Formats: sequence, C-alpha cells, structure tokens
Amino acid sequence: GQQVMQIPQYQHVQEGEDFTTYCNSSTTLSNIQWYKQRPGGHPVFLIQLVKSGEVKKQKRLTFQFGEAKKNSSLHITATQTTDVGTYFCAGREGAYKYIFGTGTRLKVLA
Amino acid sequence: EAQVTQNPRYLITVTGKKLTVTCSQNMNHEYMSWYRQDPGLGLRQIYYSMNVEVTDKGDVPEGYKVSRKEKRNFPLILESPSPNQTSLYFCASSFWGGNEKLFFGSGTQLSVL
Repeated sequence: GQQVMQIPQYQHVQEGEDFTTYCNSSTTLSNIQWYKQRPGGHPVFLIQLVKSGEVKKQKRLTFQFGEAKKNSSLHITATQTTDVGTYFCAGREGAYKYIFGTGTRLKVLA
Repeated sequence: EAQVTQNPRYLITVTGKKLTVTCSQNMNHEYMSWYRQDPGLGLRQIYYSMNVEVTDKGDVPEGYKVSRKEKRNFPLILESPSPNQTSLYFCASSFWGGNEKLFFGSGTQLSVL
C-alpha cells in the first residue's frame, strides 16, 4: 500500500533559524494536507495543496507540492517558540483515505 | 462552537474488558475516522465512515469495531482489549469533496494492563 515518509524525525533549532520538513510518497497523491500538533494536543489543520507545483504561504510558513505530486515540504522562516510541536503531512489515497506521515517533531531553543 | 468531542480523555483498563470510546461531532460532517498515534509511527487509520451505516477498514482495524448509526456519532469499540492496543486515539471528522479539512477530537489515552 501507499507509504508516506517524513524527514527528519526530530529537529532542534535556535529561535530565529529556519526549519524545513519533507514528505515523500511512494505513489502519486491527489492532494496533500499539513497538520500541526502541539505537545499534549491534537492535530490541527494547517493547509491543503492540490495542484502540481503549488506553493502556498501562511505568514512565516511556506508549503510546496512537488511537480510529480509525490512529495511536499513545509518551510518555516525565523522560527519562534510558538512553532514548537509535531508537523504531519497527510496524503490522500483512493477515494476516502488519508495516509499520515510519521511526523517531524520541532523543538525551538530560545 | 464547532467541535469533535471524545470521551473519556484517559482510560486504564485490563486485558479482555470490553470498552467503548465515544466520538461526537456537531458540524454535520459526512466523514468520520479513528486514528491511533504511537511514537515513531505517526497517525494510523483504524476505521472510517463516509455516512450513516457506511464504514470501512483503515490500515490497522484488527481488534476494533465501529458503528455509525447516527451522523454525529462514531464510537470505537474494543471488545477484548490487549496490551498492544495501549495508545493515544483520535477521532476526526470532515466534509468530503473540496477542502477536506479534518477536525480532531482532544484524544483518548488508553492503557491496557
């Protein structure tokens, strides 16, 4: 079945540094979503990308969907302590399923 | 307030004792789903439902049952829990088609002794 791999598993950065997490699928995705889970919390939807090569921005966050629709990335510019958490990608498989990546846990050191 | 309500938040039980985790949403979503979260494995889908009386298996359905008798409720049933079902469980719901934004409940931390 479809697999969605996410790297890195962990990332520690100094506050103000940039951060990127990558998501790679074994198959072509119809769309991809990104979620953020704060420590002790539940996943919260950030964004959905649908088109090949699509780039979307939300303030300091930039999301990209690859041309082949098999990979995606989330880039955070100038991290802040409020960015701490685990970031998940989720790729749609078939008609009704989303396969989640393993997540990247981000720690921001003040 | 739009939300997905999961209960209980924490549950400790013993092997073999049947339990139910409830999930309810007030957004009239067609789609509901259960996930389990384990360290290093991300979120794995257990079951999902596209509508009332329509359910299907996710990636890890063994040992679980679900039902969707009403649109708003989607309980997760463990008929004979085992220690390998110790995990953090999340219920989620969304509309389907277009912006399929999943709304998650607060989670249920289950320990099976």
